[in-house]
Amino acid sequence: SQTIHQWPATLVQPVGSPLSLECTVEGTSNPNLYWYRQAAGRGLQLLFYSVGIGQISSEVPQNLSASRPQDRQFILSSKKLLLSDSGFYLCAWMTGFSYEQYFGPGTRLTVT
Amino acid sequence: SQQGEEDPQALSIQEGENATMNCSYKTSINNLQWYRQNSGRGLVHLILIRSNEREKHSGRLRVTLDTSKKSSSLLITASRAADTASYFCATDRAGANSKLTFGKGITLSVRP
Repeated sequence: SQTIHQWPATLVQPVGSPLSLECTVEGTSNPNLYWYRQAAGRGLQLLFYSVGIGQISSEVPQNLSASRPQDRQFILSSKKLLLSDSGFYLCAWMTGFSYEQYFGPGTRLTVT
Repeated sequence: SQQGEEDPQALSIQEGENATMNCSYKTSINNLQWYRQNSGRGLVHLILIRSNEREKHSGRLRVTLDTSKKSSSLLITASRAADTASYFCATDRAGANSKLTFGKGITLSVRP
């Protein structure tokens, strides 16, 4: 069966510090991968998605970047965090044959 | 702009009652999906309905889709306290494969 992991679960970082969030998927090959951000009490904002290794599409210009160094690994990064980067970050995967997305447990990021 | 808009924003019902949640969208779609999110957790896929389907059932869930009105409804019958969560509709727009657009969500509270 397929599983998706995200870490860390929670993170408190000062403004101006770097960020690296990791997402890995097990039990599937060549998944589409997604990073979303969810502000408190709000819907999901798609940040990046990837249909293959090294292929990254950015949805919203911002202070973040994403990379896909391996088929089942998706990384969200920032060189210098802003207060507005605080939120709940969710990674998701989808096969190329189905439109259903499967989400990780999320990372709660607080920038202080 | 938000593709999916749910209403009501919040719903509070008694255990055993039915819960009806609505979603409207703006552009043509391939599929519409409903997801559930428990507080502080990732989203869980509930049900997918294709644009050529009008109604679909899964356990206590019933989803309808009216493409002429660009709207969908999710009915949860015989609600339980464990159904307390946020519910999101997500659309897969025609011509925008691989990406979902989520609404802001409906907060459902089921009182025991």
